[in-house]
Amino acid sequence: DTEVTQTPKHLVMGMTNKKSLKCEQHMGHRAMYWYKQKAKKPPELMFVYSYEKLSINESVPSRFSPECPNSSLLNLHLHALQPEDSALYLCASSQDGRGGYAFFGQGTRLTVV
Amino acid sequence: KQEVTQIPAALSVPEGENLVLNCSFTDSAIYNLQWFRQDPGKGLTSLLLIQSSQREQTSGRLNASLDKSSGRSTLYIAASQPGDSATYLCAVKTDSSYKLIFGSGTRLLVRP
Repeated sequence: DTEVTQTPKHLVMGMTNKKSLKCEQHMGHRAMYWYKQKAKKPPELMFVYSYEKLSINESVPSRFSPECPNSSLLNLHLHALQPEDSALYLCASSQDGRGGYAFFGQGTRLTVV
Repeated sequence: KQEVTQIPAALSVPEGENLVLNCSFTDSAIYNLQWFRQDPGKGLTSLLLIQSSQREQTSGRLNASLDKSSGRSTLYIAASQPGDSATYLCAVKTDSSYKLIFGSGTRLLVRP
């Protein structure tokens, strides 16, 4: 099983809403990532968790709050987002933070209205 | 600061043609380089991974090469098919970081 599963696939939220994106993998990977991708642009790294600890935060605004409850799950909590936060949010995992393939989920298409 | 560039930005070829996609990076101190495929509005599918000590990797009709000293990688697609139409992204992982740094991609269209 080389699958990273993201839910929901699509999300529309108002600027005052609170929502969460969920990511799950069962490959025993110990590094998990959140990326943001705008249309026709490459993915941009937001956060890296290594062994369930936050190891990289790419100066992401606090309205995005990551959480890694266990080694298989990664959440991204969203609050008071702006329309410019609308994008495809991608989760990825790799065996550890250094080497090996990075596997990506299918993404959550987020629209902020 | 590592920068990754992909040329061309877009490519249109007739079915059956062999083609080469290019990826260049500015800092040769990489840990590995990975090629991905992305269909419109979808996630990334991993194609090939080349470790820094390797020169090439092959999977089916795909062959990726790596020349660290010149800061280049190529993805060779043999006998292209319309189903190969997608955006192809390369990404490097540097020694000093957990980050995957992506190029801006090459949009490939294979015409029937």
